[in-house]
Amino acid sequence: QVQLVESGGGVVQPGRSLRLSCAASGFTFSVYGMHWVRQAPGKGPEWVATISSDGSSKHYVDSLEGRLTISRDNAKDTMHLQMDSLRVEDTAVYYCAKDANKFGMGGIDSWGQGSMVIVSS
Amino acid sequence: QSVLTQAPSASVTPGQRVTISCSGSDSNIGDNFVSWYQQLPGTAPKLLMYNNNQRHSGVPDRFVGSKSGSSASLAISGLQSEDEATYYCATWDDSLSGWMFGGGTKLTVL
Repeated sequence: QVQLVESGGGVVQPGRSLRLSCAASGFTFSVYGMHWVRQAPGKGPEWVATISSDGSSKHYVDSLEGRLTISRDNAKDTMHLQMDSLRVEDTAVYYCAKDANKFGMGGIDSWGQGSMVIVSS
Repeated sequence: QSVLTQAPSASVTPGQRVTISCSGSDSNIGDNFVSWYQQLPGTAPKLLMYNNNQRHSGVPDRFVGSKSGSSASLAISGLQSEDEATYYCATWDDSLSGWMFGGGTKLTVL
């Protein structure tokens, strides 16, 4: 079955950078678009970024564009999210999620367990 | 404030039926498929419905999704205590070129 395992979260100071990773298994990773979605404490999910199956197409939420870079390595079945200039309001659980199609436009059909990122001085 | 509007809460008694609504616009629900997710406290969301009305594998037929114009609904019948969770709608928004989630409806089974 689909397994998505996030790593790289933790406590980071404002202004610093962080790189999250997602290890995928149980499906043909290179065929599907992938997403990052975050959820701040007590809030609903917020879509962050999407990457197509071959990495050629990327979309970012407007409010974070310029501070994010999504990437993937299909040879290693992994996806990454580089976050720069972190702010206190970036504190959230960050989920790796699989799309139903290769473009990342089919909707999320599987979620990882999440990685907590706390931005605090 | 979410682009997709959901009532923040709903309360029903066991065995009853509830409808959770998600209101959007032409650029999102009106032009794209809607998914529904269930989230239990402390866990990741789980897919319930996709393509407006298709149940994900293992989801009982007590759950029914529908869409009309720029609104979508999730109906749950024969409510059970295990259905107590927060439910989110989601869809792509053509104007914003991004995925949108509703604010969520917290369902309480009294």
